[in-house]
Amino acid sequence: GAGVSQTPSNKVTEKGKYVELRCDPISGHTALYWYRQSLGQGPEFLIYFQGTGAADDSGLPNDRFFAVRPEGSVSTLKIQRTERGDSAVYLCASSPGSSLAGELFFGEGSRLTVL
Amino acid sequence: AQRVTQPEKLLSVFKGAPVELKCNYSYSGSPELFWYVQYSRQRLQLLLRHISRESIKGFTADLNKGETSFHLKKPFAQEEDSAMYYCALSGTGTASKLTFGTGTRLQVTL
Repeated sequence: GAGVSQTPSNKVTEKGKYVELRCDPISGHTALYWYRQSLGQGPEFLIYFQGTGAADDSGLPNDRFFAVRPEGSVSTLKIQRTERGDSAVYLCASSPGSSLAGELFFGEGSRLTVL
Repeated sequence: AQRVTQPEKLLSVFKGAPVELKCNYSYSGSPELFWYVQYSRQRLQLLLRHISRESIKGFTADLNKGETSFHLKKPFAQEEDSAMYYCALSGTGTASKLTFGTGTRLQVTL
C-alpha cells in the first residue's frame, strides 16, 4: 500500500560517471513519469511511459539521458557521462491509466549531485 | 508552447488573513489547470484541478480564460497552509504531461 518509491534518495557522483535512478510506481498504475527539478524551479517533464513503451520522451534533454520500463512496472532513468548541470532532484510519478489528466502521484525524489 | 508563470516566489500572510496565490498561463488550446502542493518534508501532491470545481482545505481556484489566470484563493489562512504551491498546466491531447510554474512559498505567521 506504499506510494511511489524512488532509490537512491541521494546520489553523489563525479563528472563523467554513469548513474541509474530507480522508480517503483504504485501497484496497478499503468502510467509512469519522470520529472527533473532544479533548485528554485518547478518540476520539468522528461518522459512518460504508458505500460512498457515510452509514449512521450520529448523532455529528455539530450542522448545522455535514457529511461526504460521493461515489464511495465519499475522504471530506471539512466544518465551517461554526467555533467554538473545534471545536478537536480529527479522525481518519478505514476497514475492509473483511467485517471483524469493531471492526477499524478509523486515519489520523494532522488537528489543527484554531480561534482 | 505552453508556459505557466507564478510571479511571487514568497508570499507571507498572517493567520486569518486572505490568501491569493497568482498563476498565469500561456497556451493556444484549451488547457487543464491544476494546483499542486508540497508541505515540509512531504512529497508533491495534487491539491485541486479546475475541472472538478471543488474546494479542498478551504482553497478554491477559478479558471479565467479571458485573463489566462488560475489564481488560488483561501479566505482565512491557517498555519498548516504553509507550504510550496505549484500551478501546473496540461494541454489538450498531452495526457498527463504537466508544465509547472516555478512555485510560490506560502508562509503563514501568527
